[in-house]
Amino acid sequence: AQSVTQLDSQVPVFEEAPVELRCNYSSSVSVYLFWYVQYPNQGLQLLLKYLSGSTLVKGINGFEAEFNKSQTSFHLRKPSVHISDTAEYFCAVTTNYGQNFVFGPGTRLSVLP
Amino acid sequence: NAGVTQTPKFRILKIGQSMTLQCTQDMNHNYMYWYRQDPGMGLKLIYYSVGAGITDKGEVPNGYNVSRSTTEDFPLRLELAAPSQTSVYFCASEPGTGFEKLFFGSGTQLSVL
Repeated sequence: AQSVTQLDSQVPVFEEAPVELRCNYSSSVSVYLFWYVQYPNQGLQLLLKYLSGSTLVKGINGFEAEFNKSQTSFHLRKPSVHISDTAEYFCAVTTNYGQNFVFGPGTRLSVLP
Repeated sequence: NAGVTQTPKFRILKIGQSMTLQCTQDMNHNYMYWYRQDPGMGLKLIYYSVGAGITDKGEVPNGYNVSRSTTEDFPLRLELAAPSQTSVYFCASEPGTGFEKLFFGSGTQLSVL
């Protein structure tokens, strides 16, 4: 079975500063990785995903993530955050057996003016 | 397109009561999921379905039941509600490869008192 760890439960950052949200996973088989964002009182929305190919994945709203197989990581980055990026971010993994996304506990990003 | 629609948005139950959380999607997706979200715990899979008439347990199925009589509908039944079932419940769907993005409903906030 696979698992996902998000080491930071909360990340405060000032507006226009860069941010990195960390995600590590464990799995005995190949994985597919996702980052979702949840704005207050809403469901989750897909930010980006890695299925195969280039390990640097670009998503919506200026976010990107890099898949590092040797370190079993899929960290999310943004070079300059906005107030509107304040939300909870979830890393998720599924395997080539499909059907069961496993979510991390989430990281609450707070962008301060 | 409405996407994934969940009803109700909020509900308060007394211990021992029963209720059904409704979920409907209009995207003709084969795969549907029910998750619960507890603070700091991320999303936990309750049940999932890979098509009409086919359901299977996720990580935390106890106290819940599901059915999938049509492609569109995937209701979640709570029997004999307990305080431990106080949570936010999300329904999600995806086309059916297992690796594509999940489309989420806006959630149902349930309190059992």
